[in-house]
Amino acid sequence: GAGVSQSPSNKVTEKGKDVELRCDPISGHTALYWYRQRLGQGLEFLIYFQGNSAPDKSGLPSDRFSAERTGESVSTLTIQRTQQEDSAVYLCASSLQSTYGYTFGSGTRLTVV
Amino acid sequence: AQSVAQPEDQVNVAEGNPLTVKCTYSVSGNPYLFWYVQYPNRGLQFLLKYITGDNLVKGSYGFEAEFNKSQTSFHLKKPSALVSDSALYFCAVRDGDNYGQNFVFGPGTRLSVLP
Repeated sequence: GAGVSQSPSNKVTEKGKDVELRCDPISGHTALYWYRQRLGQGLEFLIYFQGNSAPDKSGLPSDRFSAERTGESVSTLTIQRTQQEDSAVYLCASSLQSTYGYTFGSGTRLTVV
Repeated sequence: AQSVAQPEDQVNVAEGNPLTVKCTYSVSGNPYLFWYVQYPNRGLQFLLKYITGDNLVKGSYGFEAEFNKSQTSFHLKKPSALVSDSALYFCAVRDGDNYGQNFVFGPGTRLSVLP
């Protein structure tokens, strides 16, 4: 597609349930990033995939968070046993190379009630 | 370690006046510097970048930024602000000598252009 696509755009879930967020990067972009943006705050790095290299998971806030990527295509971010503090907009971005900026998706707004 | 500071949470400017949104950075290698803008209820959009070359970089929507190595700054500027420029602006840096590094974003500066 022409841009980075994220689904769902909005998700409301009950505390304790698992959620799965999806990101379709731009075709050919080898790098894929997940960020979190809490209300009124800046971007918080979560995880970075680059080609077939081991992902950089250093930003994942707890072991309830995990992410997978199939080759250089779709990525899913899974949050297990959701907590209210997980409520945020989860942004995915892809990049062709390190010297290029990211192209961001429009995000998934997660609300944990 | 790399870091980005945007010292102003909020910048207010009158329409037609010049605007500056400040960014300073810290990185061990060569800095790759970027500005992004987030309009209300929309995703982040790329504005401009500095990788190498001229210190003055021109980008989208009439914005420009000046890379100042001695001051480790990359301030965003526009000669004449528009009300439609009101948005949240993020500065980002990565270490250009370390391919595996991800970008670090600043906390964002909210720009309000008053009519």
